[in-house]
Amino acid sequence: SQTIHQWPATLVQPVGSPLSLECTVEGTSNPNLYWYRQAAGRGLQLLFYSVGIGQISSEVPQNLSASRPQDRQFILSSKKLLLSDSGFYLCAASRGGEKLFFGSGTQLSVL
Amino acid sequence: GQSLEQPSEVTAVEGAIVQINCTYQTSGFYGLSWYQQHDGGAPTFLSYNALDGLEETGRFSSFLSRSDSYGYLLLQELQMKDSASYFCAVSRDDKIIFGKGTRLHILP
Repeated sequence: SQTIHQWPATLVQPVGSPLSLECTVEGTSNPNLYWYRQAAGRGLQLLFYSVGIGQISSEVPQNLSASRPQDRQFILSSKKLLLSDSGFYLCAASRGGEKLFFGSGTQLSVL
Repeated sequence: GQSLEQPSEVTAVEGAIVQINCTYQTSGFYGLSWYQQHDGGAPTFLSYNALDGLEETGRFSSFLSRSDSYGYLLLQELQMKDSASYFCAVSRDDKIIFGKGTRLHILP
């Protein structure tokens, strides 16, 4: 079965600082990869998804970016964090859109 | 675009049955899935419906009507551990879009 490794679990960053969140997948090859953000008590907002190495689709224009340098590696980045970037960031993988496996998430607080 | 509607909160009694509805508007629909999320945790997959009808997995069942753009999650023999948020999600091409979630409160 698939395992999604996501770190760190919590992160506190000042406004204007850079961000890099990494996600790696085990147990499958050529997965679709996703980054979601969840505000407290809210739904999951799709930020980026990727169907292959170097292929990134952006759902929400903002100061975040994503990259997929390897088949099972997905990175979420920002050059300068905003207060509004705070939230629970979740990486997920799927082989066909039927079932998503999620990582344990990163709680990001921008102060 | 895509949109999903589900109730924000539902309350039920331990041992009872509860139904959480989901209506969606999307083009190129592939399937409807359901996820459970406990506070502080990540969502976990419950079920997926690509075709009309009922899918049963233990105490949980999920239903889809493509003609009505409607589905529901049915939880039977409710237990306190079922207190969580439940999300419906639509698959369209390679995108998976989530609803805002339904908070299920269970009373003893």
